Amino acid sequence: GDSVTQTEGLVTLTKGLPVMLNCTYQTTYSPFLFWYVQHLNEAPKLLLKSSTDNKRTEHQGFYATLHKSSSSFHLQKSSVQLSDSALYFCALSEGGSNYNVLYFGSGTKLTVEP
Amino acid sequence: EAGVTQSPRYAVLQEGQAVSFWCDPISGHDTLYWYQQPRDQGPQLLVYFRDEAVIDNSQLPSDRFSAVRPKGTNSTLKIQSAKQGDTATYLCASSLDWGPSQNTLYFGAGTRLSVL
Repeated sequence: GDSVTQTEGLVTLTKGLPVMLNCTYQTTYSPFLFWYVQHLNEAPKLLLKSSTDNKRTEHQGFYATLHKSSSSFHLQKSSVQLSDSALYFCALSEGGSNYNVLYFGSGTKLTVEP
Repeated sequence: EAGVTQSPRYAVLQEGQAVSFWCDPISGHDTLYWYQQPRDQGPQLLVYFRDEAVIDNSQLPSDRFSAVRPKGTNSTLKIQSAKQGDTATYLCASSLDWGPSQNTLYFGAGTRLSVL
């Protein structure tokens, strides 16, 4: 079945450094990938999404490129800020008759230190 | 525009007690989802509705969990006889089934449940 894998559970970085959070997926449908961010005690919020192969998508300084050849959608930022500390979830839209349903990875907790 | 509203924000129960969670989606959103998010894990779909109809409840533990959306707007998720393993945050989300944002989910802040 469809699945999403995030390999890093915890990432700790110093402010100003670049970050890449890994996301790979498995699906039999045409993929639609998402990154959601969840700050402490808040709702998950959409950060960015894509279904277009090899096209970079950007929002709020974060960017990701869907690579269907490697089934990946890694999230990157060139310079992290203290306010980026949060849980980041990669998610996959199932497609088919349940195209609205999102399947989430286990999440990566990003902590940015001064 | 108001977002997805959930209540209560927190609930603490003893095993065997019942609890209900309430969700008010974004106005006009036809699709509503309930997700369970265990601590330090990603959200996992329990059930979702399109208008008042259940589309998929295959992940809902049917012996103790139930969900309704009688008028296609607000929804209630109920747990009968809660177990410690039900400890999690219960997230409600809504979306539109058409248009450019059709598979973008908007989440509420969730209800954090602790079963002692």
